[in-house]
Amino acid sequence: QKEVEQNSGPLSVPEGAIASLNCTYSDRGSQSFFWYRQYSGKSPELIMFIYSNGDKEDGRFTAQLNKASQYVSLLIRDSQPSDSATYLCAVNIVGGTSYGKLTFGQGTILTVHP
Amino acid sequence: DAGVIQSPRHEVTEMGQEVTLRCKPISGHDYLFWYRQTMMRGLELLIYFNNNVPIDDSGMPEDRFSAKMPNASFSTLKIQPSEPRDSAVYFCASSMTSGGVPLADTQYFGPGTRLTVL
Repeated sequence: QKEVEQNSGPLSVPEGAIASLNCTYSDRGSQSFFWYRQYSGKSPELIMFIYSNGDKEDGRFTAQLNKASQYVSLLIRDSQPSDSATYLCAVNIVGGTSYGKLTFGQGTILTVHP
Repeated sequence: DAGVIQSPRHEVTEMGQEVTLRCKPISGHDYLFWYRQTMMRGLELLIYFNNNVPIDDSGMPEDRFSAKMPNASFSTLKIQPSEPRDSAVYFCASSMTSGGVPLADTQYFGPGTRLTVL
């Protein structure tokens, strides 16, 4: 079992719709969770991070965390063609020798079509 | 802030040659990470440093790979000898420890070095 799993997609949604991206992780010790966006040929850039169970909203983006189910998701409301990219989920175990170390999923390719 | 700086941006070399990739982290950041990204394997952590000291090099594929961080503002990743299977995009990232633990995990990536080994 991979440590961090994502559906590779591609996920295709129409402009204006809600895009839902999902991620599961295997280590119950994981404490912090990140969503990075990566445009083709570019480097990953941080969109959001979440540490507590529940929802966290930032503009059109909402991250949802359920530690009991070991599940984290990213919702993008009012999707725009400019949101078309690969979305990487990353998790971290805080403390010990793993401090600061992120494990990334394979990424989900999102395409928003006009 | 200039962000994480990497050089070269592109490198084409022949099998067997030595390759050196360079990284300058964001000033004040005390963690530095080297990643490799390929279509097949995704984004893999190779090694990371804290305060210039290597903490975890378990991701380094083999002895052909080595990394150094002689000071807080510079790191190198060296491949000797290079092989075609080393072709990938290599990213350097940095992060900062703060009074609040979570901030240490927010990594900022450089633009990457696209390495092609023929």
